[in-house]
Amino acid sequence: SQQGEEDPQALSIQEGENATMNCSYKTSINNLQWYRQNSGRGLVHLILIRSNEREKHSGRLRVTLDTSKKSSSLLITASRAADTASYFCATDAGTSYGKLTFGQGTILTVHP
Amino acid sequence: EPEVTQTPSHQVTQMGQEVILRCVPISNHLYFYWYRQILGQKVEFLVSFYNNEISEKSEIFDDQFSVERPDGSNFTLKIRSTKLEDSAMYFCASSGQGHSPLHFGNGTRLTVT
Repeated sequence: SQQGEEDPQALSIQEGENATMNCSYKTSINNLQWYRQNSGRGLVHLILIRSNEREKHSGRLRVTLDTSKKSSSLLITASRAADTASYFCATDAGTSYGKLTFGQGTILTVHP
Repeated sequence: EPEVTQTPSHQVTQMGQEVILRCVPISNHLYFYWYRQILGQKVEFLVSFYNNEISEKSEIFDDQFSVERPDGSNFTLKIRSTKLEDSAMYFCASSGQGHSPLHFGNGTRLTVT
């Protein structure tokens, strides 16, 4: 698989449930970032976790990073219908700033 | 909250024509980028720009592509002779520092007929 692969590809849950998305990557990284994209819109940055960090929280979001397994997970707790979107992980692996490698994304649908 | 703005939101052009996609990055940002997303595919890096020059470009960014920061606020992507396969959503992004989060615009959907 390529750098930044998410699973599952699609996730359908009920409002109030937790949603977990996973991302795997191949190379060493400076940081890993999660972005959200509503249909037909731009990417919105959610959270950045650096290679020397293991866990990070932001509101209802929790991100973990396991550099030994080259994987990350994004947990959205107490999901809302408004969380319905595509979620992408992106790795910053090189010396060039801002050259991110995106995964295919997870399409999250939260049913009211 | 400051945001990256892109114009136009949708551009239709004929194969072989030149197009210019425009972006206004966040005013105090120093790093500028173009990405693209072909329908149903991953978001792909095209080019990064800092201190009035290209920092890095991908294999996609061939001689048909160019970027410019003509003044203190605009950042443009030019495609000299469009091909059908250039049809995609093009995203501009900016960041304030190196290895920091990118702020994306809402994109320009380019359709080449």
